[in-house]
Amino acid sequence: GQNIDQPTEMTATEGAIVQINCTYQTSGFNGLFWYQQHAGEAPTFLSYNVLDGLEEKGRFSSFLSRSKGYSYLLLKELQMKDSASYLCAVMDSNYQLIWGAGTKLIIKP
Amino acid sequence: GAVVSQHPSWVICKSGTSVKIECRSLDFQATTMFWYRQFPKQSLMLMATSNEGSKATYEQGVEKDKFLINHASLTLSTLTVTSAHPEDSSFYICSARPLAEYNEQFFGPGTRLTVL
Repeated sequence: GQNIDQPTEMTATEGAIVQINCTYQTSGFNGLFWYQQHAGEAPTFLSYNVLDGLEEKGRFSSFLSRSKGYSYLLLKELQMKDSASYLCAVMDSNYQLIWGAGTKLIIKP
Repeated sequence: GAVVSQHPSWVICKSGTSVKIECRSLDFQATTMFWYRQFPKQSLMLMATSNEGSKATYEQGVEKDKFLINHASLTLSTLTVTSAHPEDSSFYICSARPLAEYNEQFFGPGTRLTVL
């Protein structure tokens, strides 16, 4: 079966760094996505990785290792507005997104 | 660019009525649109994949006759919740895939449905 695993909840301090991990097992792989979702809102796109390595975009970076079925989202210089759920999703061989349950990130002052 | 709209943003209806939700890609054409449902504190659950001009493909456990999907044009898909009941209350989100862009999906803002 297809499976995406990510921690349910994480807590971090404003100004710090946090890494959210995601492991996956899917039928085929056409890329891994990270989305941010604030309560009551639709997901917003953060990053897309299809090749191994680190993609940096401002305060956010995303890493992928296809051989390990592993990715992480790194958030630096955390701000209170970063409090949200972070969703890991993998596009399978049918170009369909398989979603993780999301990681709720709580930022404390 | 790549904006997807949904209408309405929120709706409250009585049990037994039907509710139609529209999903539009405003500045691009989408052969494929996806309908998701999300219950509180849970992740997105794909309900169906809608392809322009053909019947939607429903995920296991989703009732085709209850959740009617129509994808009549390259910019519009509709989801009709028929004979809605309180357990159908949820956050419904659509996403649209641009033509020939298989690794892109753009999300609408979602529709909050409350069935009394």
